[in-house]
Amino acid sequence: GAGVSQSPSNKVTEKGKDVELRCDPISGHTALYWYRQRLGQGLEFLIYFQGNSAPDKSGLPSDRFSAERTGESVSTLTIQRTQQEDSAVYLCASNWGQRNEKLFFGSGTQLSVL
Amino acid sequence: TQLLEQSPQFLSIQEGENLTVYCNSSSVFSSLQWYRQEPGEGPVLLVTVVTGGEVKKLKRLTFQFGDARKDSSLHITAAQPGDTGLYLCAGANTGGFKTIFGAGTRLFVKA
Repeated sequence: GAGVSQSPSNKVTEKGKDVELRCDPISGHTALYWYRQRLGQGLEFLIYFQGNSAPDKSGLPSDRFSAERTGESVSTLTIQRTQQEDSAVYLCASNWGQRNEKLFFGSGTQLSVL
Repeated sequence: TQLLEQSPQFLSIQEGENLTVYCNSSSVFSSLQWYRQEPGEGPVLLVTVVTGGEVKKLKRLTFQFGDARKDSSLHITAAQPGDTGLYLCAGANTGGFKTIFGAGTRLFVKA
């Protein structure tokens, strides 16, 4: 695709439910990032995939959060047993994995946990 | 853990004024990037600085990377309402790959 695509754009869920967020990176991009952005805040690093290397999961806030990526394609971020504090915009970004390269961002998924 | 601190967190100025936003860390970064984010959108890259002491200009915006590659500044000359947005600095770790972000500076330029 022309850009990074995220779906859904908005998700409202009830506390305790599981949610899956999807990211379609730019075709050919080997690196993929997930970030969380709380209202009025900066970006909080969650997880980083680079090719076939083991992902860097150092930013995942709890074991309720997990992410998968098959090869160099789609990634899904799963949040189990959602809590109200999980409400935020979840942003996905991708690039070719070159040193100091810029990130191409999607428009994010706005998650609201009631 | 590498951290980036931005200041000020919020800035409201009149059109035509100048301003400077700062991004500081105790860690050395391979590069620093500045992004601008508008509501409902993902951040968009403004510039990447790689060499210590480097200065880059983008029209009315001037970016500087500290000599020790631990800090950066963004200076806007004669701000315009179209400059309104969230300005984020981002640092790549010494490998140059994993990127972390500061908390951002929210700029509002009044006409």
